[in-house]
Amino acid sequence: EVQLVESGGGLVQPGGSLRLSCAASGFTFSRYAMSWVRQAPGKGLEWVSAISGSGGSTYYADSVKGRFTISRDNSKNTLYLQMNSLKDEDTAVYYCAKDLRVVVGPGYFDYWGQGTLVTVSS
Amino acid sequence: QSVLTQPPSASGTPGQRVTISCSGSSSNIGSNAVNWYQQLAGTAPKLLIYSNNQRPSGVPDRFSGSKSGTSASLAISGLQSEDEADYYCAAWDDSLNGWVFGGGTKLTVL
Repeated sequence: EVQLVESGGGLVQPGGSLRLSCAASGFTFSRYAMSWVRQAPGKGLEWVSAISGSGGSTYYADSVKGRFTISRDNSKNTLYLQMNSLKDEDTAVYYCAKDLRVVVGPGYFDYWGQGTLVTVSS
Repeated sequence: QSVLTQPPSASGTPGQRVTISCSGSSSNIGSNAVNWYQQLAGTAPKLLIYSNNQRPSGVPDRFSGSKSGTSASLAISGLQSEDEADYYCAAWDDSLNGWVFGGGTKLTVL
């Protein structure tokens, strides 16, 4: 059974940093690209970042480019999102999602984690 | 403002058929397949339709998808109370080199 479990969310001040983790199980982690998708309170889904199965290719939404860094440790079956220079508008539930393919691109997210809440506030 | 455009709300009575539209552009829906996700209240999104019109195992055949040009639609027939949820369309965007989502449609079963 595929499981994705996010952790690392919490309350952080504007300008601060946070690192999210997503522990994966039930599939061969390195064979699939992964993404982070967020949802602000009461709002819709917004794709944040994606990484290929090898970790060699990364992609970012313009809203987080230069501030967030996606990475993965295939030996630990874990996906990460390092978030720096956080802003109020980064407040959201952050979901990790498993991609259909090893490369990032047209496909779909077949499994999602339960999400972790990040609140940016002073 | 979402790249893909969906109506914010839709409604129907049990047994009815409802459709939800999703409008995009040549760089996303016009070039790539559309996926639909269902999000029940307080839960994570779940894949509902992939590659325009394919259903994952376990998704009832009451749900169907279609695509034409730069638009797509999700149809739900034989509406049931448990279908009350938010529905999102999504596609890869070749210009943005990333995923784009619709703003979501809240479906109410009256």
